Amino acid sequence: DVKVTQSSRYLVKRTGEKVFLECVQDMDHENMFWYRQDPGLGLRLIYFSYDVKMKEKGDIPEGYSVSREKKERFSLILESASTNQTSMYLCASSLRRLGSNEQFFGPGTRLTVL
Amino acid sequence: LAKTTQPISMDSYEGQEVNITCSHNNIATNDYITWYQQFPSQGPRFIIQGYKTKVTNEVASLFIPADRKSSTLSLPRVSLSDTAVYYCLVGDAGAGSYQLTFGKGTKLSVIP
Repeated sequence: DVKVTQSSRYLVKRTGEKVFLECVQDMDHENMFWYRQDPGLGLRLIYFSYDVKMKEKGDIPEGYSVSREKKERFSLILESASTNQTSMYLCASSLRRLGSNEQFFGPGTRLTVL
Repeated sequence: LAKTTQPISMDSYEGQEVNITCSHNNIATNDYITWYQQFPSQGPRFIIQGYKTKVTNEVASLFIPADRKSSTLSLPRVSLSDTAVYYCLVGDAGAGSYQLTFGKGTKLSVIP
């Protein structure tokens, strides 16, 4: 089974802190994603990576950056956390194959910014 | 970018068939339609995917009309364990496209 792990289930940070959310997948998937999930808004794509060192902005990249130095690891960085970034963050991975939208999600990290 | 619209919630009794429809009027030629299920405190889980017509697997069916502007997820004979939020996704991440749009989800409540 594909396994996607996220570094923390719960995280509490203060406004202005730099925050790192880590995601690791063990199935050699090319694609990796970061989403945030908020009540009533569903899942919104923050960033997408289709290969090592490659990244594309999603719908809501403002306030975030990402890093993909190794194929299995995709990091989301909040350069200066703000209270409106309090949310559930979900990482996912998938094969890079035409017509393949089967994304495998991690359990999520619930981030609270005080 | 395709925008998707789903009902916010649905109720169903155990044993009934449930149909959840997603509208995606601006779907692109290369886009696929994928459905996910999410339980509380878990990440979404893939259910089924299709491009056109009908697709069936062991847990669900997906109906896509010829114009592809909508799709219907059909869950046969639901049980209490099917209570979850269901999301439709339009796009093709497999092609390297980041033009992915999740719906806001439909909360399905199955009643005994």
